[in-house]
Amino acid sequence: SQTIHQWPATLVQPVGSPLSLECTVEGTSNPNLYWYRQAAGRGLQLLFYSVGIGQISSEVPQNLSASRPQDRQFILSSKKLLLSDSGFYLCAWSVLWGDQNTEAFFGQGTRLTVV
Amino acid sequence: GQQLNQSPQSMFIQEGEDVSMNCTSSSIFNTWLWYKQDPGEGPVLLIALYKAGELTSNGRLTAQFGITRKDSFLNISASIPSDVGIYFCAGLPGQNFVFGPGTRLSVLP
Repeated sequence: SQTIHQWPATLVQPVGSPLSLECTVEGTSNPNLYWYRQAAGRGLQLLFYSVGIGQISSEVPQNLSASRPQDRQFILSSKKLLLSDSGFYLCAWSVLWGDQNTEAFFGQGTRLTVV
Repeated sequence: GQQLNQSPQSMFIQEGEDVSMNCTSSSIFNTWLWYKQDPGEGPVLLIALYKAGELTSNGRLTAQFGITRKDSFLNISASIPSDVGIYFCAGLPGQNFVFGPGTRLSVLP
């Protein structure tokens, strides 16, 4: 069966420090991968998605970047965190049936607090 | 971009009551998904719908894909305390998912 791992679960970082959040998927090949951010009590904002190794699409210009160095690994990074980067970050994966995207499955999330 | 509207935004119900919430879009979707999110955790997929008119159940949960393909609803029967959480609808108008803002459900004992 497929599983998704996201870490760390919580993170407190000072303003101006770098960030690296990692997400890995097991049990599937060539998944679509996503990073979302969720502000407190709000919906999900798509930050980045990837349909393959080295292929990254950005939905919202901001202080963050993403990379996909391996098929089932997705990394969210920042060189210098801002206070506004605080939030709940979620990694997700989905698969295609033919050319049709299907369900998305989420990791447990990372609570990032920038102080 | 495309948006989904969910109603109600929040609801308080008594344990044992049935719950109904819905999701609407201004454009046609090919897939409707319903998720539940507990505090501090990632959303968990409850039900996936792929055909207009499709009615699918998962235990006490029932969801339907609207015939117009622009809406979907989720019903929860005989609510229990662990039903508390935020319920998100999501749609696939194309390749990427569009999420609603969520319905926050509180269950009073």
